[in-house]
This record gives sequence, structure tokens and C-alpha cells, in this order.
Amino acid sequence: ELKVEQNPLFLSMQEGKNYTIYCNYSTTSDRLYWYRQDPGKSLESLFVLLSNGAVKQEGRLMASLDTKARLSTLHITAAVHDLSATYFCAVDTGYALNFGKGTSLLVTP
Amino acid sequence: IAGITQAPTSQILAAGRRMTLRCTQDMRHNAMYWYRQDLGLGLRLIHYSNTAGTTGKGEVPDGYSVSRANTDDFPLTLASAVPSQTSVYFCASGTGGVGTDTQYFGPGTRLTVL
Repeated sequence: ELKVEQNPLFLSMQEGKNYTIYCNYSTTSDRLYWYRQDPGKSLESLFVLLSNGAVKQEGRLMASLDTKARLSTLHITAAVHDLSATYFCAVDTGYALNFGKGTSLLVTP
Repeated sequence: IAGITQAPTSQILAAGRRMTLRCTQDMRHNAMYWYRQDLGLGLRLIHYSNTAGTTGKGEVPDGYSVSRANTDDFPLTLASAVPSQTSVYFCASGTGGVGTDTQYFGPGTRLTVL
């Protein structure tokens, strides 16, 4: 059974600070996805990582994938309040996505 | 282009009643999915369909059924609702093929079973 573990599950950080969210998964997969969810809203795709060593950046967010370590990271640079949301990683099972439990991020002044 | 639509937006349902959640996509995606989202548990796959005419069971299929008569529609039916089915239900679609298979999510249906 594929397990996807995110940590931390809750994160409160000050504006301007940097932090990293970790996503570990238990079986081999070359495809990993990051999504964002605002309260009461649907999920929005952020990044698709398709191979070992893949790195994608959008604004203050950067995602990377190490398939050998079965680890993906989502790095936040100089956080701003607008980044407050829940972030999910998801691993391709071959027929669907297996999601982590999500990291609830709160960026405070 | 609407993307994925779900109906109803929310529903309160008496236990034991039958309920169908509707999902329609206009992106001509082959694959469609139903997830439920519960606090602290993330999203869990209920059923999926890789192409019209085929369906498969996900992680939590009990009490739910689906059909895929055509490419665009993927309804989820609760035959006899129970309170543990109180959740937010998301429908998603994707190309289902090799490569960048981002799933696109609908707005969700908030279901309360009393």
C-alpha cells in the first residue's frame, strides 16, 4: 500500500521567513504533484514533477523531487500572507493519485 | 469553458436515502475520479474511471457506486446514505495517459448525512 506522509501538518510562519514542507512516499513513483487548497475551495494544481531531480519554481514556491529518496520538498521563500493555504502532495499510483494529509500553512505579519 | 462542474453544491440528507452526486467535464479527458475529503485525513479515492465504459474501486469504495456511460459524465451514487458519508466530495478529471497527468478538480459537493 502506497503511503504518502507530509510534514509538518501545521505550520505557522512569519512573513519574510523561509520554510520547507516535506513529502515522503513509500513506493517507487516518478510522478509527484503539489496542489494548493484555500479554505472552502477546490484544489489548484501548483507543480508536476515527472523525474528524478526535477525542480519547478513559481514565484516564492519551489518544488523538487528525489525519486531515489522518495522525497519531495516544497520550499517557501520570503513568505507572504497570500501563501496561507493548505498544501497537498500527491503521488501517482498508476491509476489515480494518492494524497498526503496536507500541510496547513498560516503566514502571519 | 467550464472545466468540471459538480451538483449539488451542498446537500443535507437523511440517513437511508439514496443520493446521486453529479459531475460533468468539458475537457474531453479520458480519466475521471471521485475523492472524499475529511478533516485530518486528506483526500481519499472512492472510485475512478480510466475511460468511458470502465470503472475501478479506490481506497474507500464501500457504500458508493459509479457509472461512466460517456466521456463527460461520472455520477457518484450513495445507495443508502449513512452519517459516516458526511464529507466534501470532489470530482476530478485528467488525461489518464503517460506524461503530465495533472488532475483538475471540480468545486466540490458538501454532503451532510443526518
